[in-house]
Amino acid sequence: AQSVTQLDSQVPVFEEAPVELRCNYSSSVSVYLFWYVQYPNQGLQLLLKYLSGSTLVESINGFEAEFNKSQTSFHLRKPSVHISDTAEYFCAVSVAYSGAGSYQLTFGKGTKLSVIP
Amino acid sequence: EAQVTQNPRYLITVTGKKLTVTCSQNMNHEYMSWYRQDPGLGLRQIYYSMNVEVTDKGDVPEGYKVSRKEKRNFPLILESPSPNQTSLYFCASRLGAGVSSYNEQFFGPGTRLTVL
Repeated sequence: AQSVTQLDSQVPVFEEAPVELRCNYSSSVSVYLFWYVQYPNQGLQLLLKYLSGSTLVESINGFEAEFNKSQTSFHLRKPSVHISDTAEYFCAVSVAYSGAGSYQLTFGKGTKLSVIP
Repeated sequence: EAQVTQNPRYLITVTGKKLTVTCSQNMNHEYMSWYRQDPGLGLRQIYYSMNVEVTDKGDVPEGYKVSRKEKRNFPLILESPSPNQTSLYFCASRLGAGVSSYNEQFFGPGTRLTVL
């Protein structure tokens, strides 16, 4: 079974500063990786995903994440955060089977990003 | 508008009083699931359904039931709620269950349940 570890439960950062939210996964087979964002009092929204190909993936609002197979990591970064980025961020993993069958998204415990004016 | 809807959004009830949280999606998705979110524990899957009349347990199914009689609906049933089921519940759906049909998983807005 796969698992996800988000190393920081809370990350405070000043506005316009860079931020990195860390995510490590464990799996014995190939994986797909995701970052979801949850704004206050809302459901989760997909921020970005890695399925295959380029190991660096980007979102439309300036976040990026890099899949590092050797370090089993998928850290989320943004070079300059805004107040509106204040939210909880969840890393998720799914095994990438080659055959048929259901697969399950396993979520980390979340990281609360607080952007300080 | 493509969406997953849940009702009610907020519910306060008492121990042992049966309740149902409804979930509906308008995207013709085959796969639907229920999660609960608790502080410090992230999202944990309760049940999932790969298609009509096909359901299976997730990681924390105890105390919950589900049914999938129609493709669009996936209600969560608590037959005898207890205080440890106080939580934030999310319904989610995606196009298919298999890797070859993977695409984005859509989440509902959440139902905050308090069991006294």
